[in-house]
Amino acid sequence: GIQVEQSPPDLILQEGANSTLRCNFSDSVNNLQWFHQNPWGQLINLFYIPSGTKQNGRLSATTVATERYSLLYISSSQTTDSGVYFCAVRHGQNFVFGPGTRLSVLP
Amino acid sequence: KAGVTQTPRYLIKTRGQQVTLSCSPISGHRSVSWYQQTPGQGLQFLFEYFSETQRNKGNFPGRFSGRQFSNSRSEMNVSTLELGDSALYLCASSSEGDQPQHFGDGTRLSIL
Repeated sequence: GIQVEQSPPDLILQEGANSTLRCNFSDSVNNLQWFHQNPWGQLINLFYIPSGTKQNGRLSATTVATERYSLLYISSSQTTDSGVYFCAVRHGQNFVFGPGTRLSVLP
Repeated sequence: KAGVTQTPRYLIKTRGQQVTLSCSPISGHRSVSWYQQTPGQGLQFLFEYFSETQRNKGNFPGRFSGRQFSNSRSEMNVSTLELGDSALYLCASSSEGDQPQHFGDGTRLSIL
């Protein structure tokens, strides 16, 4: 089956810093989503981005499908950005999550 | 538009019992998928239903089953509960397979 990797596994930032999270996948995908899981376990949709670039406020994402990776950019990080960031891909009928990047933003 | 609703939010059971979890998708969404999240295994796909038919199934034992009703609401059943079934169970809905998935808040199941 398809493999989804995320890096880094853990990231600690000072408030106001910028960061880039990466998602690599081993085969072609039908769709790709980025999620933020908050400390209460809620999975929040960030981006639906099978290809191209999207921006939403301080967050933006780029997927280069031909090279099988996606990047999530967080600018001017805030403590509320803390949590786990997952990318997930649909490959055929399967929807596969990466292992996540745990982000901690310190005040 | 109401989001995906999962009930109950928390559940405590003992080994050997069975449990049924419920998921109401976003209005108009016909695809409902279930996932198990544990600290050790991460987020794993259980199964997907579309128009009352199971379309896809993950690698879980037969103790895990589900169904979908004509109004697209879905239930997941786990029989003969084991300690390792303690997890956050998440449900997601989408309008169609390749469209974005939207998740509910989950049911946290604890097995004693």
